[in-house]
Amino acid sequence: EVLMTQSPATLSVSPGESATLSCRASQSVNSNLAWYHQRPGQVPRLLIYAASTRATGVPARFSGSGSGTEFTLTISSLQSEDFAVYYCQQYNLWPLTFGGGTKVEI
Amino acid sequence: QVQLVESGGGVVQPGGSLRLSCAASGFTFSHYGMHWVRQAPGRGLEWVAFIRYNGSDKYYADSVTGRFTVSRDNSKDTLFLQMNSLRAEDTAVYYCAKDAATTRSFDYWGQGTLVTVSS
Repeated sequence: EVLMTQSPATLSVSPGESATLSCRASQSVNSNLAWYHQRPGQVPRLLIYAASTRATGVPARFSGSGSGTEFTLTISSLQSEDFAVYYCQQYNLWPLTFGGGTKVEI
Repeated sequence: QVQLVESGGGVVQPGGSLRLSCAASGFTFSHYGMHWVRQAPGRGLEWVAFIRYNGSDKYYADSVTGRFTVSRDNSKDTLFLQMNSLRAEDTAVYYCAKDAATTRSFDYWGQGTLVTVSS
């Protein structure tokens, strides 16, 4: 199966700053990658699919890039509601797999 | 709007069985693939199973293959997960999630149902 590795495990950021999260696949997943975030006690929410396309209603401060094995999620000007755990997920091959997550904290 | 409501979770002994349901509304259920995703307490997300819109294809995580079976009833807009030979490591919140159609990502999620496997 495709192993997804996220880094860092925890990212400490101040409100208004930007954050860059990384996701690496053990083999190429082309652009078949999605990003989600999960606030404490809440359900995951789709942010990005096809590596760089924002899902419906997702603010423009979220941007995704990359292809193949290296992917990045950038959050510019962090808002209070952005402090959460972020997961990447590949859908290029079965079984579908998630990264272990990056916690973005204040 | 899209709603997914899971039910059927609870406490079960190791080796036991449980059947989860997910009632869908707000979209044409029979047009979309559906997934089950789980999250163990304090842990990350793990994809469990997928079923195509018409039930013709099913895929499973290695950890549940041979023990779990996904199915659907398009006449009742309902998704199911039959879980047999349950283990302690199956303890998790189980979410049903709608397939995003053009991609195998999950654009809508239910609130989840907790399954606890313990003696």
